[in-house]
Amino acid sequence: DQQVKQNSPSLSVQEGRISILNCDYTNSMFDYFLWYKKYPAEGPTFLISISSIKDKNEDGRFTVFLNKSAKHLSLHIVPSQPGDSAVYFCAASGASGNKLVFGAGTILRVKS
Amino acid sequence: KAGVTQTPRYLIKTRGQQVTLSCSPISGHRSVSWYQQTPGQGLQFLFEYFSETQRNKGNFPGRFSGRQFSNSRSEMNVSTLELGDSALYLCASSLYRVAGETQYFGPGTRLLVL
Repeated sequence: DQQVKQNSPSLSVQEGRISILNCDYTNSMFDYFLWYKKYPAEGPTFLISISSIKDKNEDGRFTVFLNKSAKHLSLHIVPSQPGDSAVYFCAASGASGNKLVFGAGTILRVKS
Repeated sequence: KAGVTQTPRYLIKTRGQQVTLSCSPISGHRSVSWYQQTPGQGLQFLFEYFSETQRNKGNFPGRFSGRQFSNSRSEMNVSTLELGDSALYLCASSLYRVAGETQYFGPGTRLLVL
């Protein structure tokens, strides 16, 4: 049972444009949502997070939006840069402990 | 500050053998979690340790075990290896066990079972 879903396996965007990565979840007990970026042969790198009491969080070029009623979140990257090309994972956790439930990941390719 | 380190980085074993992987968290971090990444199943939670105690466990067979030492370093062990255990094993650390706290990942250990 996939509790966190990233339905787009890949996304291709032109440099300078906006990248929008989507994530859906089914478990209403999730309280925190995180985005990680992963390059080949490296571990995931934390990008940005949001708690369920917020609907938006910004950090530089990265913004995460949360729609609790739709159980949907999205990561916006503006402007997209070639160095952003990587696999992006959406992850969720509950109110206690450190267990993260990950989506399958979306491969982002930013073309120059 | 040094990041999370994992040793070894690459490992080749044969079916039936056992393996021990090591993780050193960021200095001062007390929580260590382990994840398995495979092409078919993605990133899956194995277990979490805090203050030398297992606090949470994922849905993996008993062949997968771990421990944490007083300096917060952690090891995970897989006994009686199967072909399906071939994966990237990732370790993540955080200061405490506060909900929503950022976890920092190491580079992983790539295990190949032949």
